[in-house]
Amino acid sequence: DAKTTQPPSMDCAEGRAANLPCNHSTISGNEYVYWYRQIHSQGPQYIIHGLKNNETNEMASLIITEDRKSSTLILPHATLRDTAVYYCIAPGSGGGADGLTFGKGTHLIIQP
Amino acid sequence: NAGVMQNPRHLVRRRGQEARLRCSPMKGHSHVYWYRQLPEEGLKFMVYLQKENIIDESGMPKERFSAEFPKEGPSILRIQQVVRGDSAAYFCASSPSRVENSNQPQHFGDGTRLSIL
Repeated sequence: DAKTTQPPSMDCAEGRAANLPCNHSTISGNEYVYWYRQIHSQGPQYIIHGLKNNETNEMASLIITEDRKSSTLILPHATLRDTAVYYCIAPGSGGGADGLTFGKGTHLIIQP
Repeated sequence: NAGVMQNPRHLVRRRGQEARLRCSPMKGHSHVYWYRQLPEEGLKFMVYLQKENIIDESGMPKERFSAEFPKEGPSILRIQQVVRGDSAAYFCASSPSRVENSNQPQHFGDGTRLSIL
């Protein structure tokens, strides 16, 4: 797995966009970047993943830099229910099919 | 809801007993992964199985822990002679396939909380 670096915590006001950064400077050309979140006491929830192009789904957007050394997860209109620990993961050449390495993630706190 | 199902949600055992945790993958998924989360820590990969085969058990403790995924029925994580340090949340995930450079994400269940008295 490529090593990923995330800030330990972030605050965001309810209704605003939450932008969560992730550095993955050692990522190789065929490694995807995956984002998961874990809300207290629940199982990790898959959010989004991407390789080179920016991606968007009903939950979030993923912006990957051209050199692929970093990415940003964007929650466009954060709600209190988005308070969670967010994990950025680059699993390696096996993609999501290998055992995932969860770091410490970013604890995102949405403020009312 | 055809999500990953784990049971029981909570399991209490006394030291020395056996714990059996079950995981039914999402419909159409043939790959199962087990993770352990100790209190106040991140998830740690334990084992990856396909039907009737263990593919990667690099994260499994060498003793007392075993896993299986039979042709029929759920995957089972078995812990023999449990100790206090086994108290943790155990999560199962599933994915549809393993193709070289596959981009299929894993989907997780809500876990089994194991408490050892």
